[in-house]
Amino acid sequence: DVKVTQSSRYLVKRTGEKVFLECVQDMDHENMFWYRQDPGLGLRLIYFSYDVKMKEKGDIPEGYSVSREKKERFSLILESASTNQTSMYLCASSPLGAPYEQYFGPGTRLTVT
Amino acid sequence: QKEVEQNSGPLSVPEGAIASLNCTYSDRGSQSFFWYRQYSGKSPELIMSIYSNGDKEDGRFTAQLNKASQYVSLLIRDSQPSDSATYLCAVRGGGNAGNNRKLIWGLGTSLAVNP
Repeated sequence: DVKVTQSSRYLVKRTGEKVFLECVQDMDHENMFWYRQDPGLGLRLIYFSYDVKMKEKGDIPEGYSVSREKKERFSLILESASTNQTSMYLCASSPLGAPYEQYFGPGTRLTVT
Repeated sequence: QKEVEQNSGPLSVPEGAIASLNCTYSDRGSQSFFWYRQYSGKSPELIMSIYSNGDKEDGRFTAQLNKASQYVSLLIRDSQPSDSATYLCAVRGGGNAGNNRKLIWGLGTSLAVNP
């Protein structure tokens, strides 16, 4: 079974802090994604990566950056956390041949106070 | 703005009935369509994909695609209480290389199956 793990299930940070969310997958998938999910807004893509050291902006990249130094690990960075970044953050991965068949991690509930 | 629309529900059906979930999309260039299930407090999981017009069956689930009318549906036969979840419709964007690398997500339909 594909396993996608995320570094924290719950996280509380203060406004202005730099926040790192990490995601690791164990199935050698080429594609990795970061989403946030908010009530009434659904799933929104922040960034995705289809290869090591490659990244592409999603629909809402402002205030975020990403890093993919190794194939199995994709990190989301909030440069200076703000209260409007309080959300559920979901990481996903998918294989090269089926990029839209995505496997999700359990999510990180981030609260910025 | 490419959109995927779903009735938010909740859709309530009795145990053993057929649940019918519908999704419409705006991008005529879309080629790939997916249904994800999300239990409360959990992350989405893929349950069906469909790429060509017609029906695709997998156990109690049937996905139906009509590209001319731009809708995709999911039928759940013999619904069980364990099917109670939010069902997300996702569509691969068509057109340019940037857009077709992404899924466009609906907001989901909440399904409640009553014993």
